[in-house]
Amino acid sequence: AQSVTQPDIHITVSEGASLELRCNYSYGATPYLFWYVQSPGQGLQLLLKYFSGDTLVQGIKGFEAEFKRSQSSFNLRKPSVHWSDAAEYFCAVVEMDSNYQLIWGAGTKLIIKP
Amino acid sequence: KAGVTQTPRYLIKTRGQQVTLSCSPISGHRSVSWYQQTPGQGLQFLFEYFSETQRNKGNFPGRFSGRQFSNSRSEMNVSTLELGDSALYLCASSLSGGNTGELFFGEGSRLTVL
Repeated sequence: AQSVTQPDIHITVSEGASLELRCNYSYGATPYLFWYVQSPGQGLQLLLKYFSGDTLVQGIKGFEAEFKRSQSSFNLRKPSVHWSDAAEYFCAVVEMDSNYQLIWGAGTKLIIKP
Repeated sequence: KAGVTQTPRYLIKTRGQQVTLSCSPISGHRSVSWYQQTPGQGLQFLFEYFSETQRNKGNFPGRFSGRQFSNSRSEMNVSTLELGDSALYLCASSLSGGNTGELFFGEGSRLTVL
């Protein structure tokens, strides 16, 4: 079965500092890749997606992610975080071999230090 | 454009009872997916409905069921509630389904089972 790994359960970053959240997947072909964000008490919101083409994708709220096939990774980055970025971030992959079901990572909780 | 609406937002039930949750998707969206979110298990896929037909199903017991109406609104039902069913239940809609991964989530229904 395919899987998505987010190795960091929690990450603490100072406001204004840069951010990188890691996501690795196990999948043979090039999958569809996604990052979602969940603010406290809210549902999930799509930040960005990768289907094909340019491996560096831009998303909303100043986020970007880079697909690296050789590393099976799709890490999320932001050059300067704001206190409002405190949330939980989920990486997800579409599993094309299994009815196109979305496979979710366990999530990374981002804590912002003032 | 109205977002995904889930009702009720919060509810408390006791073991053995049953519960019905409702989801109104974004206008024009024909796919509705349901997820269970808990701190221990993360996001777990329950089922997806598209044009009133269940298209995908996760690994949940038969106590969890759902349906979709002709106007794309969906309901999920959990019978014979157990303590472990306490969770945030999220509904997500999309134009064509989970194969594109572009889901729009509601804020969820938080179920507490006592």
